[in-house]
Amino acid sequence: DTGVSQNPRHKITKRGQNVTFRCDPISEHNRLYWYRQTLGQGPEFLTYFQNEAQLEKSRLLSDRFSAERPKGSFSTLEIQRTEQGDSAMYLCASSGDPRGNNEQFFGPGTRLTVL
Amino acid sequence: AQSVTQLGSHVSVSEGALVLLRCNYSSSVPPYLFWYVQYPNQGLQLLLKYTSAATLVKGINGFEAEFKKSETSFHLTKPSAHMSDAAEYFCAVSPISNFGIEKLTFGTGTRLTIIP
Repeated sequence: DTGVSQNPRHKITKRGQNVTFRCDPISEHNRLYWYRQTLGQGPEFLTYFQNEAQLEKSRLLSDRFSAERPKGSFSTLEIQRTEQGDSAMYLCASSGDPRGNNEQFFGPGTRLTVL
Repeated sequence: AQSVTQLGSHVSVSEGALVLLRCNYSSSVPPYLFWYVQYPNQGLQLLLKYTSAATLVKGINGFEAEFKKSETSFHLTKPSAHMSDAAEYFCAVSPISNFGIEKLTFGTGTRLTIIP
């Protein structure tokens, strides 16, 4: 397994457009997390899944944001009608292997720039 | 709610000198605590974690941290800085649950610069 992967690595879009990011977790992990990191700040929790169930959403996740994990494997994060304030690094992490190790492993992130 | 405070957004040390990055936590009960490192344009890598076992935790790349309940601190140290240690360091906290590690709450980060 090569770890957590995220695509695309960079996305530049115009204000008002919709964007979708993908995260492929470590295959044996049952939990998947999304975080957002703005310049000069630490990552902030957005939402997480256990298998295909979305168990918690942060108040940061406005109704323009939606996340899915349809088969309990990869996940997508969609932002509708993007705003300049959405510009950030979006990080995905996975955890929860069959041996009981719950350390979160992070992907390289998707950097979003909204013009 | 749990939180962490990192004192010093920028720290500079000379190569070979002691590295000390400070982190204080706020929690009604002792939580799980972590230090992550982030290199430019990369994701986060776990350096070490405290999960209520030994209070002195050793991590990768020669780093260690000591959990001090009386001071609500979890400072990160390394005896001798190396140029490759230049990066952004984040302290993080997670509540303790039956699952183990839950969602992480991060500090604002400390950028470490190594002076040749």
